[in-house]
Amino acid sequence: SQKIEQNSEALNIQEGKTATLTCNYTNYSPAYLQWYRQDPGRGPVFLLLIRENEKEKRKERLKVTFDTTLKQSLFHITASQPADSATYLCALEDRGSTLGRLYFGRGTQLTVWP
Amino acid sequence: DAGITQSPRHKVTETGTPVTLRCHQTENHRYMYWYRQDPGHGLRLIHYSYGVKDTDKGEVSDGYSVSRSKTEDFLLTLESATSSQTSVYFCAIRGTSPSGTQYFGPGTRLLVL
Repeated sequence: SQKIEQNSEALNIQEGKTATLTCNYTNYSPAYLQWYRQDPGRGPVFLLLIRENEKEKRKERLKVTFDTTLKQSLFHITASQPADSATYLCALEDRGSTLGRLYFGRGTQLTVWP
Repeated sequence: DAGITQSPRHKVTETGTPVTLRCHQTENHRYMYWYRQDPGHGLRLIHYSYGVKDTDKGEVSDGYSVSRSKTEDFLLTLESATSSQTSVYFCAIRGTSPSGTQYFGPGTRLLVL
């Protein structure tokens, strides 16, 4: 069966450290993978997209890697801050799917403490 | 926020009652989606639309119907609400920059008693 697994439901780290979140997928052939941030009571917000032929993408303190051999994406937040506390979702668009349909993981709740 | 609004934002209803949720967008996007989000399940696709009057089912479509008579509006109807449909409902549109991203509305919190 198809699965998207985000390995930790919750991750707690100290301010200033690097947070690393993991997304693994099974039985998908993604054209690209995306990461979203969701704050309590709000809709997800797009952060980064990485294509299958890209190894790494950066945006300010955020970095995403994508390994199609391992079927895994890593999401890093460097120099983390309490304001980074949120739930982070990975999502992918499968090559076989139609019309921009995305499949989401359940998310990892990140807490950054001072 | 890509100009997406949802109404109502909160609703309490009784089992067996029909309920319609509205998603409105102001930027003429072709593709629109309805998701529900529940603890332990994440976001699950209910229905989606690829144009006026063009819709298709997602993975959890039973008990739901949709309509899109105008580009800007995508309606989700719970034909006869059940307690299992208590959830938070999100509407989304497919963006173009970068292509493939989705932009979400603020959500509707529905409680079925």
